[in-house]
Amino acid sequence: GAGVSQSPRYKVAKRGQDVALRCDPISGHVSLFWYQQALGQGPEFLTYFQNEAQLDKSGLPSDRFFAERPEGSVSTLKIQRTQQEDSAVYLCASSSGTYTYEQYFGPGTRLTVT
Amino acid sequence: AQSVTQLDSHVSVSEGTPVLLRCNYSSSYSPSLFWYVQHPNKGLQLLLKYTSAATLVKGINGFEAEFKKSETSFHLTKPSAHMSDAAEYFCVVSDRSGFGNEKLTFGTGTRLTIIP
Repeated sequence: GAGVSQSPRYKVAKRGQDVALRCDPISGHVSLFWYQQALGQGPEFLTYFQNEAQLDKSGLPSDRFFAERPEGSVSTLKIQRTQQEDSAVYLCASSSGTYTYEQYFGPGTRLTVT
Repeated sequence: AQSVTQLDSHVSVSEGTPVLLRCNYSSSYSPSLFWYVQHPNKGLQLLLKYTSAATLVKGINGFEAEFKKSETSFHLTKPSAHMSDAAEYFCVVSDRSGFGNEKLTFGTGTRLTIIP
């Protein structure tokens, strides 16, 4: 079946531009996570949704980062006024439930801010 | 907070020889631990997970890991490396925030190179 998909796969933005990254989770998955992976590092948690509710946004690095999942399926991560330090791969993951359910990861969106 | 330390940033082994990727964890309670693999331009894939059942965990593609509480370790092993095993491997610990999710805390990764 279809896995988690993300678009675009690559995005180049000029410093100061706004970007929107999309995640299509596996159909029916309740939980959705966003992670940020800097070059040469492991992914770091950004935010978590359970259906349409954003229950944890403790990992968002600044108020320039905003995520939404209005209908409990597709999610968008928006970054306003991008900075060079925002350059990273942004990973989306979904799972069918809470706690011990496996997280399935998408291929990621590589954001380069010039 | 939970954390993991991957002791080697890069491991090289010859095809057909054993693989050992080392991971130590820090946790204030009994953790859930995972190994994920990341192939170039592909998503992260779960290899195996430990959730307080058997301490020796078997995963996909012949990998296994042993949870050792006394050593706070969760090393990943495979008896015989294959060329297709070349990838980045992440040791991961769960961090239950209490919101009903199991957000993951990743190590910095170990790049595994297989020598033909």
